Amino acid sequence: AQSVAQPEDQVNVAEGNPLTVKCTYSVSGNPYLFWYVQYPNRGLQFLLKYITGDNLVKGSYGFEAEFNKSQTSFHLKKPSALVSDSALYFCAVRDNAGGATNKLIFGTGTLLAVQP
Amino acid sequence: DTGVSQDPRHKITKRGQNVTFRCDPISEHNRLYWYRQTLGQGPEFLTYFQNEAQLEKSRLLSDRFSAERPKGSFSTLEIQRTEQGDSAMYLCASSPNEGVGNTIYFGEGSWLTVV
Repeated sequence: AQSVAQPEDQVNVAEGNPLTVKCTYSVSGNPYLFWYVQYPNRGLQFLLKYITGDNLVKGSYGFEAEFNKSQTSFHLKKPSALVSDSALYFCAVRDNAGGATNKLIFGTGTLLAVQP
Repeated sequence: DTGVSQDPRHKITKRGQNVTFRCDPISEHNRLYWYRQTLGQGPEFLTYFQNEAQLEKSRLLSDRFSAERPKGSFSTLEIQRTEQGDSAMYLCASSPNEGVGNTIYFGEGSWLTVV
């Protein structure tokens, strides 16, 4: 079964420092990986996705993610964190195990706290 | 492109009452999804429509839950005889029909509190 794991419940980083939010995946077949961000009491906003091609994917708000097939990871990164980046981040994999649904399967989320 | 719209944003109801949530997907998106999210958890898949056809339902979707998408446009999610365990945020999402790599876009969610 397809799944993603986010091993850190919370990541703390000082403003201006680089940040990394970790995600590992388990899929059969090609992985289709996504990152979403959720601000308090809001829905999910799409940040970026990996479908194929370059292992470094660039997305919204200066975020990027590195796909690593050998380590089955898709870590989210940003060179310089902002206080406004503080939010809940979800990694997700598209279910391509069969059928037409192709629904997203989410990790448990990582709370990013950026201190001023 | 006005995004995925959900209504109401917040609903407080007494246990045993019925509630209905509405979702308007992005125009021309054939695929529509419902998810449920409880505090501290990631969204969990509930059901999926392709146009008006409901093609998959999660085991999470008990008999008290029903979803429709009658004309392949907006969708409704109804919960009958609500229980306190139904308290959660209900998220609707949509995506274009073609391609497993297409992005799924989410609405702002509908918060349900059952008292």
